[in-house]
Amino acid sequence: EVQLVESGGGLVQPGGSLKLSCEASGFSFSTSWMHWVRQVPGKGLVWVSHINSDGNTIRYADSAKGRFTISRDNAKNTLYLQMNSLRADDTGVYYCAKPVGLGVAAFDIWGQGTPVTVST
Amino acid sequence: EIVMTQSPVTLSVSPGERGTLSCRASQSVYTNLAWYQQKPGQTPRLLIHSASTRATGVPARFSGSGSGTEFMLTISSLQSEDFAVYYCQQYNDGPITFGQGTRLEIK
Repeated sequence: EVQLVESGGGLVQPGGSLKLSCEASGFSFSTSWMHWVRQVPGKGLVWVSHINSDGNTIRYADSAKGRFTISRDNAKNTLYLQMNSLRADDTGVYYCAKPVGLGVAAFDIWGQGTPVTVST
Repeated sequence: EIVMTQSPVTLSVSPGERGTLSCRASQSVYTNLAWYQQKPGQTPRLLIHSASTRATGVPARFSGSGSGTEFMLTISSLQSEDFAVYYCQQYNDGPITFGQGTRLEIK
């Protein structure tokens, strides 16, 4: 079964840090680009970051630049998102997502999401 | 950044009728467009990619059309399980961006 399982979310104070993980199974993780997407409950979807298969091509949304770091460990089939200097507007459910294929960054597989709340 | 605008915000349709949702891009995304369905408490489900290609397992009553800046998702005969929120997404250029969503509700 193709599956993505996120973990690492929680409640953190403004200015704090969290590291999210996403463990993949059932597909060739090492050859797949991977993405992080955020959703505020009851609101829309916001793309956060992507990383290519070998980790050499990375991109961030403007809101994440300089604060978030995406990485991966292909030996462990795991994607990461290190989030520093967290702000209230970073609050939401964070999903890792797998695109359909190279050049088609539509997401056919989503994790169940891990909630992040930035608040005092 | 490419801005995606969906209309209407809410669409009320009776079961069995056709539903048509629109998505407009602020600049051409060619056919690099996807549609998702999201039900309460669930993760988004990919319906359409490349503007008109149905994802695996998606019923034939869902169809996508358009290119450039104007796109449509059509549901030919609405079933009870189709009432949900629908998002479009472009992946052509720059950061990936999503529309704000259209809520499809039972009339």
